[in-house]
Amino acid sequence: SQQGEEDPQALSIQEGENATMNCSYKTSINNLQWYRQNSGRGLVHLILIRSNEREKHSGRLRVTLDTSKKSSSLLITASRAADTASYFCATGNSGYALNFGKGTSLLVTP
Amino acid sequence: DAGITQSPRHKVTETGTPVTLRCHQTENHRYMYWYRQDPGHGLRLIHYSYGVKDTDKGEVSDGYSVSRSKTEDFLLTLESATSSQTSVYFCAISESGGNGYEQYFGPGTRLTVT
Repeated sequence: SQQGEEDPQALSIQEGENATMNCSYKTSINNLQWYRQNSGRGLVHLILIRSNEREKHSGRLRVTLDTSKKSSSLLITASRAADTASYFCATGNSGYALNFGKGTSLLVTP
Repeated sequence: DAGITQSPRHKVTETGTPVTLRCHQTENHRYMYWYRQDPGHGLRLIHYSYGVKDTDKGEVSDGYSVSRSKTEDFLLTLESATSSQTSVYFCAISESGGNGYEQYFGPGTRLTVT
């Protein structure tokens, strides 16, 4: 069943600003992943953070994980129009499946 | 899209007809997944495969069956399509170990059941 829940559902910012989106989940996890989906396309993996990690960086992306609060955040710094997309968190506990949230829709205007 | 193709990309079919969607990969990854994506629901897992002829059900498997006779192909069949199965279907693959590894997604198939 879906476990991750992103917040906000929609976010509109201007180029150059930072974008922060959050993911909350309900049960213990082994890892948490973030994906991006451009309109009409498949999902693209951005970053994976394991339950024993607190922070991870990849280029302009910074992901934090707080297992005590069962939450994660994705920060995109210096946003560009090309960052316009939907962003999903996905949690994994046992087994093979990932549980995806409903996503945050990010609009970056020039 | 990481060597993953889906066919067809778009399909319109009538209620009650059988439909088969194909996912083909060139990455030789062991794990393959079928998801559906609907507004307000995000992505939900239908079925997955952890090897040739090894499959299991996901969260929303009712009305769907799958088959995997070779590593590169994973078929999703709607035995008798219903309007509630109108959706965008995504195939994904991962090279190892289930949810501890990133998944690579295909471009999707938009299915409309009239």
